[in-house]
Amino acid sequence: AQTVTQSQPEMSVQEAETVTLSCTYDTSESDYYLFWYKQPPSRQMILVIRQEAYKQQNATENRFSVNFQKAAKSFSLKISDSQLGDAAMYFCAYRSGRQGGSEKLVFGKGTKLTVNP
Amino acid sequence: KAGVTQTPRYLIKTRGQQVTLSCSPISGHRSVSWYQQTPGQGLQFLFEYFSETQRNKGNFPGRFSGRQFSNSRSEMNVSTLELGDSALYLCASSSWVGNTEAFFGQGTRLTVV
Repeated sequence: AQTVTQSQPEMSVQEAETVTLSCTYDTSESDYYLFWYKQPPSRQMILVIRQEAYKQQNATENRFSVNFQKAAKSFSLKISDSQLGDAAMYFCAYRSGRQGGSEKLVFGKGTKLTVNP
Repeated sequence: KAGVTQTPRYLIKTRGQQVTLSCSPISGHRSVSWYQQTPGQGLQFLFEYFSETQRNKGNFPGRFSGRQFSNSRSEMNVSTLELGDSALYLCASSSWVGNTEAFFGQGTRLTVV
């Protein structure tokens, strides 16, 4: 079974600074997807960024980028120029890429990010 | 375009009762998944549906069940509620099987007393 581990329960960053959230995963599959979701106090999960395992290039979405190390099974999220609105719980998630397979997401326990003004 | 709508937003039930939660996916989306979120266990997969068929089920007791209707709306039911069922229940929808873009609703906060 796949597992996702987020070793940092809480992180804090100063506004405008850069922060990196860590995530490691375990799988025997070669085809899969990795995601970072943000859950603000409103509770709605919002997709921040996704990475296909077959792509070597790290995904980037504006101020958000990932460092995907497939061999090390590591998938960290870097937030640049942090803003107050970035404060939230961040979840790393895994999904199998098997053709016709489940859409089940396996989540890590989350990292609570605080942004200090 | 309306997002994923979950009703009710909050619910308080007594042990032993049963509860039904509803999820209306984004218009045109045919795939719906459910998750349970608790402080202790985190986010855990409950089940997923596509075109009224359950495609996958998580490791939950038989008290947890669900279904999907022809209009893609989905319901989940929990019978004989236990205190440990208190959680945030999240629903996610996507347009087709294999689509990596899943959109979540705001959840239903269930409290069992």
